[in-house]
Amino acid sequence: QVHLVESGGGLVKPGGSLRLSCVASGFAFSDYYMSWIRQAPGKGLEWVSYIHSRSSYTDYADSVEGRFTISRDNAKNSLYLQMNSLRVDDTAVYYCARGRYSPYWGQGTLVIVSS
Amino acid sequence: EIVLTQSPGTLSLSPGERASLSCRASQSVASSYLAWYQQKPGQAPRLLIYGASSRATDIPDRFTGSGSGTDFTLTISRLEPEDFAVYYCQQYGSSPFTFGPGTKVDIK
Repeated sequence: QVHLVESGGGLVKPGGSLRLSCVASGFAFSDYYMSWIRQAPGKGLEWVSYIHSRSSYTDYADSVEGRFTISRDNAKNSLYLQMNSLRVDDTAVYYCARGRYSPYWGQGTLVIVSS
Repeated sequence: EIVLTQSPGTLSLSPGERASLSCRASQSVASSYLAWYQQKPGQAPRLLIYGASSRATDIPDRFTGSGSGTDFTLTISRLEPEDFAVYYCQQYGSSPFTFGPGTKVDIK
């Protein structure tokens, strides 16, 4: 059974940093693209970033380009999102998901950027 | 970047009625790489349709996806009480893999 479990969210001041993690189980992690998607409180879904299965290619939404870095450790079945220079409008629930579209999502981790 | 527009913003219907949700893309979606999700409050999105018209695992056949190019539709043939939710389309043919703003289907 596929499971994705995010962690690392919390309260951070504007300009600060956080690193989100997502641990995967129940499938061959190294065979799949992985994505981060976020949802601000009361708002819609926003695709943030994805990484190729072998980490050779990554891409980002314009809103996070240059501030966020996606990475993965296939040996640990883990996906990461390093978030720097955080802004108030980065406040959201961050989901990891398998693939470019996905039947499998984590439960999400809440990031609050506030002074 | 492909911009997705969903209409209507809100659809007020009664159980048993038919729902038709539209998703329009600012440019052609490659290979009909268009997905539909359902989201209920406090839950992660649930994949309904991928490849514009393929139902995901365990999705009831009252959910049908159609369309190609720039115009896509999600049809719910007869609304069940559990279908009242927000629906999002997503294109995954070209990065960034954008989502539409959503259509809320609520009870009339």
